[in-house]
Amino acid sequence: EPEVTQTPSHQVTQMGQEVILRCVPISNHLYFYWYRQILGQKVEFLVSFYNNEISEKSEIFDDQFSVERPDGSNFTLKIRSTKLEDSAMYFCASSEVIGRGYTFGSGTRLTVV
Amino acid sequence: AQSVTQLDSHVSVSEGTPVLLRCNYSSSYSPSLFWYVQHPNKGLQLLLKYTSAATLVKGINGFEAEFKKSETSFHLTKPSAHMSDAAEYFCVVSEGNAGNMLTFGGGTRLMVKP
Repeated sequence: EPEVTQTPSHQVTQMGQEVILRCVPISNHLYFYWYRQILGQKVEFLVSFYNNEISEKSEIFDDQFSVERPDGSNFTLKIRSTKLEDSAMYFCASSEVIGRGYTFGSGTRLTVV
Repeated sequence: AQSVTQLDSHVSVSEGTPVLLRCNYSSSYSPSLFWYVQHPNKGLQLLLKYTSAATLVKGINGFEAEFKKSETSFHLTKPSAHMSDAAEYFCVVSEGNAGNMLTFGGGTRLMVKP
């Protein structure tokens, strides 16, 4: 079964540092997403991406966040200057079409110290 | 705006007994509804989805859910719990006119006792 692959599985970074979380969506999928789950809280939508541009973003997705599809396979989330409150599990997802259900990756646990 | 409420944060059942995980939603448009499961240290796995076809939806591992528009509910059931069902379960809504953003419920942790 096709999978969404996320790397690394765990990342520890110092406050103020930049981090890049990487995702390889399913190859024939066209829509890409990032979600996050702060420990003990709900899974929250960050951003959706289609046709090489952001199609929707939440209030959480401020100027310190950016996404990119640098080549035909990777989809990255960059946090420019990490804060303690950015510590969370970050999930990448992809879908072939809207509304059919997404395939999520296993997540990257980001810890900011 | 869309929202999801999972009525129980924890549910404990004995192996072999039925499972009921409750979910109510709020949506301005015709929603798509999903149940995802998260096992410890694993990703989110799609269990089943409702997208305006049959109101009784069958998913993987013997789970099913019934969409009840009049009650704005989408409860997840399974006739007989297995130890491997112990996990966190998320009810999720997506509105067609809200693009493709998913809104998650708070999750229900299912514990299965031997």
